Amino acid sequence: GDSVTQMEGPVTLSEEAFLTINCTYTATGYPSLFWYVQYPGEGLQLLLKATKADDKGSNKGFEATYRKETTSFHLEKGSVQVSDSAVYFCARGAGNMLTFGGGTRLMVKP
Amino acid sequence: NAGVTQTPKFQVLKTGQSMTLQCAQDMNHNSMYWYRQDPGMGLRLIYYSASEGTTDKGEVPNGYNVSRLNKREFSLRLESAAPSQTSVYFCASSEVGPGPYEQYFGPGTRLTVT
Repeated sequence: GDSVTQMEGPVTLSEEAFLTINCTYTATGYPSLFWYVQYPGEGLQLLLKATKADDKGSNKGFEATYRKETTSFHLEKGSVQVSDSAVYFCARGAGNMLTFGGGTRLMVKP
Repeated sequence: NAGVTQTPKFQVLKTGQSMTLQCAQDMNHNSMYWYRQDPGMGLRLIYYSASEGTTDKGEVPNGYNVSRLNKREFSLRLESAAPSQTSVYFCASSEVGPGPYEQYFGPGTRLTVT
């Protein structure tokens, strides 16, 4: 079935470091791809999305590019802040259904 | 505009007890979903309702029932709770159509079954 695989955490970085969180997906059909973020004690909220190959989603300094050739949608940020500490989920969407990866916890230290 | 609301926020049950988790959305969305979140496993779909009057099983439906009470409300019932149902439960809603449509999540219910 459809699946999403993302790097296990936790990922611990110093403030202003470069962030990459890897995500790969099964290529069945033409999925849309999403990154959701979950701050402590809260529900998930959409961070960015891409709907077709080579699309780049971006928001709050985060970016991810839909790579069909490598079935990847890696999340990047050039300079992380303490406030970016959260759990990040990669997801693939088909129709109105989402399949989530296991989540990656990011901890940013001052 | 409250978005998606869930009650209760926390609940402790003994094995065999029953309870209903409530979810409501005020965004006039057609689709609603129930997920459970377990460490390292992301979110797994329990049940969903594509529109008022319809419900369908997701990935992990065993031990749960749902009711789409009206367009706004979608409840999840545990008839006889088991320790394996200890988890954080999230309700979500979205529009329908060719998509892709963002799912909006509630704040979650943390359930412990002893």
